[in-house]
Amino acid sequence: DTAVSQTPKYLVTQMGNDKSIKCEQNLGHDTMYWYKQDSKKFLKIMFSYNNKELIINETVPNRFSPKSPDKAHLNLHINSLELGDSAVYFCASSQEGTGGYNEQFFGPGTRLTVL
Amino acid sequence: QQPVQSPQAVILREGEDAVINCSSSKALYSVHWYRQKHGEAPVFLMILLKGGEQKGHDKISASFNEKKQQSSLYLTASQLSYSGTYFCGTDHYNQGGKLIFGQGTELSVKP
Repeated sequence: DTAVSQTPKYLVTQMGNDKSIKCEQNLGHDTMYWYKQDSKKFLKIMFSYNNKELIINETVPNRFSPKSPDKAHLNLHINSLELGDSAVYFCASSQEGTGGYNEQFFGPGTRLTVL
Repeated sequence: QQPVQSPQAVILREGEDAVINCSSSKALYSVHWYRQKHGEAPVFLMILLKGGEQKGHDKISASFNEKKQQSSLYLTASQLSYSGTYFCGTDHYNQGGKLIFGQGTELSVKP
């Protein structure tokens, strides 16, 4: 059974388009995250939700909007895609209210390419 | 403030040892270590919570010096499967559990 799953695995799109990435975890965790990993492998947190409530919102353009319909799902919608949005986006989850002392389980990643 | 990892890259022969360091300019609550193989997701290795704590499993261990705001990952008798990029993730007080990852250390183990 896949613990943290993401769809799609690859996403190729034109500049200016709107796209969504979906994430689901079946671990019963309370907290979910979105990370962006750029071409230099820099892994940066974007958002974190705990029980559907936004708790971390880094300095991310407001073209990025996370949505958590329930604690097992965290989706990422991106409006007006730009070239600089090209990256691998990872979803992750952890138990309890924070990730500070609980391991994070990462999904397989979505490679987004904006042309 | 992103923690600084050193070295940036290291090449080993099977059976050799390596140390990867992670330094922060801010007080640390905990340090996480993850390994990411090419084209895959980061995979959790261990968390260190207390100053001076040491943890380990198999031939990979780590230490955490809270006063120096540093952590080190020790890989002994390296195996081919250890190849990948190692990241430390630091959690600071009153940050809502946000992890800030270092830039990564690329480890290659050759036969």
